[in-house]
Amino acid sequence: AQTVTQSQPEMSVQEAETVTLSCTYDTSESDYYLFWYKQPPSRQMILVIRQEAYKQQNATENRFSVNFQKAAKSFSLKISDSQLGDAAMYFCAYNPNFGNEKLTFGTGTRLTIIP
Amino acid sequence: NAGVTQTPKFQVLKTGQSMTLQCAQDMNHEYMSWYRQDPGMGLRLIHYSVGAGITDQGEVPNGYNVSRSTTEDFPLRLLSAAPSQTSVYFCASTQSLLSRDKDSYEQYFGPGTRLTVT
Repeated sequence: AQTVTQSQPEMSVQEAETVTLSCTYDTSESDYYLFWYKQPPSRQMILVIRQEAYKQQNATENRFSVNFQKAAKSFSLKISDSQLGDAAMYFCAYNPNFGNEKLTFGTGTRLTIIP
Repeated sequence: NAGVTQTPKFQVLKTGQSMTLQCAQDMNHEYMSWYRQDPGMGLRLIHYSVGAGITDQGEVPNGYNVSRSTTEDFPLRLLSAAPSQTSVYFCASTQSLLSRDKDSYEQYFGPGTRLTVT
């Protein structure tokens, strides 16, 4: 079974600085998706960024980028120029690509932005 | 286009009561699922459906029942509520493998239902 591990229960960063959230996963599949979801206090799950395993280029979305290391099964999220609105729980999630839309989530990292 | 909607937003039940959490989507998605979120445990899959009339169990199915009579709706039934079912419940939907665009694939979540069982 696939597992997703987020080893940082809490992180904090000064406003305008950069922070990196860690995620590792375990799978025997060769093709899959990885996601970072943001959950603000409203509890809505918001997709931040996606990465397909077959793409070697790291995904970027504005201030958000990932460092995808397929061999190491590592998928970290970098947030640049942190803003107060970035404060939230962040979940890493894994989704196989073929025949299965089941998401496996990590336990989350609570990110605090220090003004 | 409302996306994924869930009702109610909040619910308090007494032990032994039954209820149905409603989930609907208007994106014509084949795949729908239910997750529960407990503190420190992330989201865990309860049940899922790959299309009308087809459902299957996820990681934590005990105490829950689902059915899928239409593409749009996927209700979750608690048969006899227990305090261990106190949680936040999320419904999600997505396109099936055959119809989805790989570059835009994502699962869409509803706003969640906070359930307390006393």
